[in-house]
Amino acid sequence: DTVLTQSPALAVSPGERVTISCRASESVSTLMHWYQQKPGQQPTLLIYLASNLESGVPARFSGSGSGTDFTLTIDPVEADDTATYYCQQSWNDPWTFGGGTKLELK
Amino acid sequence: EVQLQQSGAELVKPGASVKLSCKTSGYTFSNYYMSWLKQMPGQNIEWIGNIYGGNGGTGYNQKFKGKATLTVDKSSSTAYMDLSSLTSEDSAVYFCARGDDWYFDFWGPGTMVTVSS
Repeated sequence: DTVLTQSPALAVSPGERVTISCRASESVSTLMHWYQQKPGQQPTLLIYLASNLESGVPARFSGSGSGTDFTLTIDPVEADDTATYYCQQSWNDPWTFGGGTKLELK
Repeated sequence: EVQLQQSGAELVKPGASVKLSCKTSGYTFSNYYMSWLKQMPGQNIEWIGNIYGGNGGTGYNQKFKGKATLTVDKSSSTAYMDLSSLTSEDSAVYFCARGDDWYFDFWGPGTMVTVSS
């Protein structure tokens, strides 16, 4: 299975820029997607196909990358962005998720 | 408005089976895939498999073959997942999520399954 590796946690101050990385164990082309999950809630789609912003998601969120290295950027970070962020690939079977990056605000 | 309404929490005994439901509204059920996903407490999300609302065609993560069976009822726009031979390792929150080809654009709130004697 394709393993997606994310940093476990990040802490930033409101107003700062944060980048969350996701590295794949093999190429996933641009079939990488990002989700936000708040405690006790279901995930919500933020970015699809590496760099496309889902409808209704603030333009503070952006995604980039291809192949094995991907980035989710939040600029500027707001207090409401406290959550766990997951990457997910759909190039290789089975579809897999990263372990999640927990974003905390200072 | 797209809505996915999942069935309530389940407490089941080891060795038993359980059937979870995901009732949809707000879109054409037969035009989309529905995926099921598993999330154990504080852990990663795993994709179990998907089913096409139009013809019931399925695809499974090899890990969950024999454990999960996906079905649909087009007349009620509802997707189902049967989980069999339950063990403590099956205790988790199970989400249904509408699939737009490669990703999941709408998720249900999840159903918590607890396997305990």
